[in-house]
Amino acid sequence: NAGVTQTPKFRVLKTGQSMTLLCAQDMNHEYMYWYRQDPGMGLRLIHYSVGEGTTAKGEVPDGYNVSRLKKQNFLLGLESAAPSQTSVYFCASSDGLAGFANTGELFFGEGSRLTVL
Amino acid sequence: AQSVTQLGSHVSVSEGALVLLRCNYSSSVPPYLFWYVQYPNQGLQLLLKYTSAATLVKGINGFEAEFKKSETSFHLTKPSAHMSDAAEYFCAVSVGSGTYKYIFGTGTRLKVLA
Repeated sequence: NAGVTQTPKFRVLKTGQSMTLLCAQDMNHEYMYWYRQDPGMGLRLIHYSVGEGTTAKGEVPDGYNVSRLKKQNFLLGLESAAPSQTSVYFCASSDGLAGFANTGELFFGEGSRLTVL
Repeated sequence: AQSVTQLGSHVSVSEGALVLLRCNYSSSVPPYLFWYVQYPNQGLQLLLKYTSAATLVKGINGFEAEFKKSETSFHLTKPSAHMSDAAEYFCAVSVGSGTYKYIFGTGTRLKVLA
């Protein structure tokens, strides 16, 4: 039972390079999220998706792009990496909004540690 | 806009002592509240959640939290700390059923002393 899988787990980039982080979930969840975690700042939402073919901006979207071409996959792209994007990135998925019919629980991947030199 | 404040970025307790991690929220409408735990080099996993069914919520590993509307708080407690409880704990909020976003606090790192 894989849950949420992120690849790669580690990556080192030079300033200006591009890369894509892949998130895959096998729980048939509609909602998927990308967060970044930085010391003392908790988790900040970068982008999210409420279904296949949809994306929306979170708190800190600048410098990132996302795509959700398939329901099970959510890709996070950095077109021109900057040192400020050095962080641990977490993907999460959910069965729906917290409410009567849904648990609202977020399931997280193990994280992708990105260093930009 | 909703927000979450966790008081104390680091908390140390002795093994067997009470654990109290504080979380206050700001929301103009009834919130849904969550506590997540993160062990070293792992993702976050759900400890417990409040979705208005009961104000005292029990979670995994002996943790519980009480929703207090008058104090806008959702503090996490455990009567007796265990070494395996050492981790980082995050409080999170989502508002109503029309919000797709979960807002996280900055986290509290719990250290358990032998």
